[in-house]
Amino acid sequence: GAVVSQHPSWVICKSGTSVKIECRSLDFQATTMFWYRQFPKQSLMLMATSNEGSKATYEQGVEKDKFLINHASLTLSTLTVTSAHPEDSSFYICSARTVGQALSGALHFGNGTRLTVT
Amino acid sequence: AQKVTQAQTEISVVEKEDVTLDCVYETRDTTYYLFWYKQPPSGELVFLIRRNSFDEQNEISGRYSWNFQKSTSSFNFTITASQVVDSAVYFCALTGGTSYGKLTFGQGTILTVHP
Repeated sequence: GAVVSQHPSWVICKSGTSVKIECRSLDFQATTMFWYRQFPKQSLMLMATSNEGSKATYEQGVEKDKFLINHASLTLSTLTVTSAHPEDSSFYICSARTVGQALSGALHFGNGTRLTVT
Repeated sequence: AQKVTQAQTEISVVEKEDVTLDCVYETRDTTYYLFWYKQPPSGELVFLIRRNSFDEQNEISGRYSWNFQKSTSSFNFTITASQVVDSAVYFCALTGGTSYGKLTFGQGTILTVHP
């Protein structure tokens, strides 16, 4: 079945550094990928929509200069948390939509990345 | 704007009990899709079901069943004869036809099944 690989699974970084998270569709093309954030014991909140070959669309309240998204190919989207701070510590998870059946393509989630900023 | 409400924050049951997780949604889209996901402690989201707004037929999959009622904007999930392995956080989610894939999640229900 369709698989989305997210890497790394967890990362610890120091405050002020940048962290890149990859979301890769392994056996299908994903024109659109979505990035979500989940704080401890809370729900998932959509951060941005990533479209291959174009700029990402960010949800209200999400800083686009802090959370850089690149979707350079049909199988890879990356989220870079720049100048990370402890408040950015969270669980980040991506999902990918298959190309076919534009309005009902299956949604596949990666396994998530747990970011801890010290 | 879309909204999903899972009124039950936490549910605790004893193994073999039946349990129903409630989900109520709001949307202005005429075409929309509802989902249920399971999130175990490891964090990944396990897909359970997707239902579109034109299909109100209830669905059963093993011990799982779903009741979709457009009249009350509800999409409830029942686990029959619960097991310890069912312990997890369960999320109901909604996406509209005009912005398919952008999921609005409910707050989640923490289900604990005791042996």
